[in-house]
Amino acid sequence: GESVGLHLPTLSVQEGDNSIINCAYSNSASDYFIWYKQESGKGPQFIIDIRSNMDKRQGQRVTVLLNKTVKHLSLQIAATQPGDSAVYFCAESFFRSGTYKYIFGTGTRLKVLA
Amino acid sequence: GAVVSQHPSWVICKSGTSVKIECRSLDFQATTMFWYRQFPKQSLMLMATSNEGSKATYEQGVEKDKFLINHASLTLSTLTVTSAHPEDSSFYICSERTLGGYGYTFGSGTRLTVV
Repeated sequence: GESVGLHLPTLSVQEGDNSIINCAYSNSASDYFIWYKQESGKGPQFIIDIRSNMDKRQGQRVTVLLNKTVKHLSLQIAATQPGDSAVYFCAESFFRSGTYKYIFGTGTRLKVLA
Repeated sequence: GAVVSQHPSWVICKSGTSVKIECRSLDFQATTMFWYRQFPKQSLMLMATSNEGSKATYEQGVEKDKFLINHASLTLSTLTVTSAHPEDSSFYICSERTLGGYGYTFGSGTRLTVV
């Protein structure tokens, strides 16, 4: 299940099941979105991206859905594996002060149960 | 894609001392680099945007004199935490825009512990 508290929300998923991680972004002017995976003590790693002129994009085992009406982004991971256990962040990009800004969401910890 | 090398990966320093963190672009000339700070179990917070040959742009609430950023060349940006205090202990990460796209490539991060 999913829980929210003082720490990162955690999503626990059985190995082999599909995972859905959600993210609400803040800026309606954002035109580019990326999902990152971060393992403990490491920098974020790119998973998949989507531009604002699309509402769905698929990669290998992952799908990103974008709903601009409600400023919502989701990451779907098919057949979740133990190696998928990590913290997942969405990020939105928008142009401000002469450069593209890149803001991260709060993150969700994915725990894959064997 | 771009490769970003960040050094050191971890550092322990005494209160009052300064610590320099380096971020190098190994295969791409990055005119812009971004510095983030991450507290345990929290998201990455953008601190500043480092611009080659000009002053960095700091986010609201980030002390410019505390976190000195230098981007003297197209391949190197540095963040110096001056007069460090225990509350500066955090995970610092740099990133640059990925060559050929909108995406960004991140360094491996630096764990700073101030004692």
